[in-house]
Amino acid sequence: VQLLESGGASIQAGGSLRLSCEASGFTFASYAINWVRQAPGRGLEWVAEISGTGSSTYYAGSVEGRFTISRDNFKKTVFLQMDSLRAEDTAVYYCAKSLTTEWLGGYFDYWGQGTLVTVSS
Amino acid sequence: EIVLTQSPATLSLSPGESATLSCRASQSVSSSLAWYQQKPGQAPSLLIYDSTTRAPGIPGRFSGDGSGTDFTLTITNLEPEDFAVYHCQQRGRWPLTFGGGTAVEMK
Repeated sequence: VQLLESGGASIQAGGSLRLSCEASGFTFASYAINWVRQAPGRGLEWVAEISGTGSSTYYAGSVEGRFTISRDNFKKTVFLQMDSLRAEDTAVYYCAKSLTTEWLGGYFDYWGQGTLVTVSS
Repeated sequence: EIVLTQSPATLSLSPGESATLSCRASQSVSSSLAWYQQKPGQAPSLLIYDSTTRAPGIPGRFSGDGSGTDFTLTITNLEPEDFAVYHCQQRGRWPLTFGGGTAVEMK
């Protein structure tokens, strides 16, 4: 199993950015994928989840209405569209695979290496 | 949202000693709690889920306990590679939340 994030960058507050997470080594369409972020020197914060089919999505309150998670099962890729970025969105963003196909909102058994988003005010 | 409070923030121990880490939830999450290990510059890795189940490949010196609001991760006979930050995470209710982490550092 491999997850490879890309798209991180330095950007001004108010701007937009799209992160990608390319997956391999498992039946991609069967598993929910999550984004989890970690601000410098801080703990982990769950950001969003998308179900295997893409029909269900969930967001943390801090990003709801500004971020959109989506997926392309043919390309085995999950996206995180981030709009109206704020300084407090500065973090390493990880994508993470759900442990099981049985339920949503679970645990994360594989993580990517992360991509850094820096938002300057 | 459910707030997870981890204690202590830092634990200073020597190899061979045992570590006991606590995670307390602001509301019951039943047994829906996981523990992750994170080493500097690396992504977290899953250690324990459903409070007590070790993830594949995790050695037996790692054990989890608890239900409701109080959970414990115990690491017996600390190995040098166990010095890291440990995070708890609940899936009892949306939104999913993590604790602030406990750093296990070498004395």
